[in-house]
Amino acid sequence: DAKTTQPNSMESNEEEPVHLPCNHSTISGTDYIHWYRQLPSQGPEYVIHGLTSNVNNRMASLAIAEDRKSSTLILHRATLRDAAVYYCILRPYSGGGADGLTFGKGTHLIIQP
Amino acid sequence: EAGVTQFPSHSVIEKGQTVTLRCDPISGHDNLYWYRRVMGKEIKFLLHFVKESKQDESGMPNNRFLAERTGGTYSTLKVQPAELEDSGVYFCASSLSGFGPREQYFGPGTRLTVT
Repeated sequence: DAKTTQPNSMESNEEEPVHLPCNHSTISGTDYIHWYRQLPSQGPEYVIHGLTSNVNNRMASLAIAEDRKSSTLILHRATLRDAAVYYCILRPYSGGGADGLTFGKGTHLIIQP
Repeated sequence: EAGVTQFPSHSVIEKGQTVTLRCDPISGHDNLYWYRRVMGKEIKFLLHFVKESKQDESGMPNNRFLAERTGGTYSTLKVQPAELEDSGVYFCASSLSGFGPREQYFGPGTRLTVT
């Protein structure tokens, strides 16, 4: 799987927007960009994914650069419950082949009250 | 709807003993995955079942680890004999079938401590 690069940690204030960056300069044309997060003492949790266009769901938004070499996960109004490690993961379009996720170190997001 | 469940939540065993971890996926999910995080390391993929068949077991560390998925429902991961370096958190995940990148739902994990 192609590699991603994320900052080790970020800090934000409660009720403010948070922009979590991810670089994936070696992304291939069929790689989807996925984001998962892991809250303390829990298993990872799916957040959002996209291919080329920006995506929105109830949890977050995903902004993808035009050249797809980077993306940004946006939490519009962070709460204390959003404090977690956020992982940016590339996944090839899969038709039933190897489908395991490749986790990196992720970004540890700290939310200040 | 019940999520992915794992049992036990925590297991402490001595080196050389055997431990069996269980995972119950979300009902109707044909895909089942095992991952683990050992101390200080990143979460690593172990293997992937499609129903009862092993689709990809490239991440299994060695032959002390045996995963099964009887009848395509729950799965077990047996470590025999356990070594100190097997300590960590073992996660199970499941997903629906179909083409494209399917969202994986994770269980809370089993914390394994080998002393």
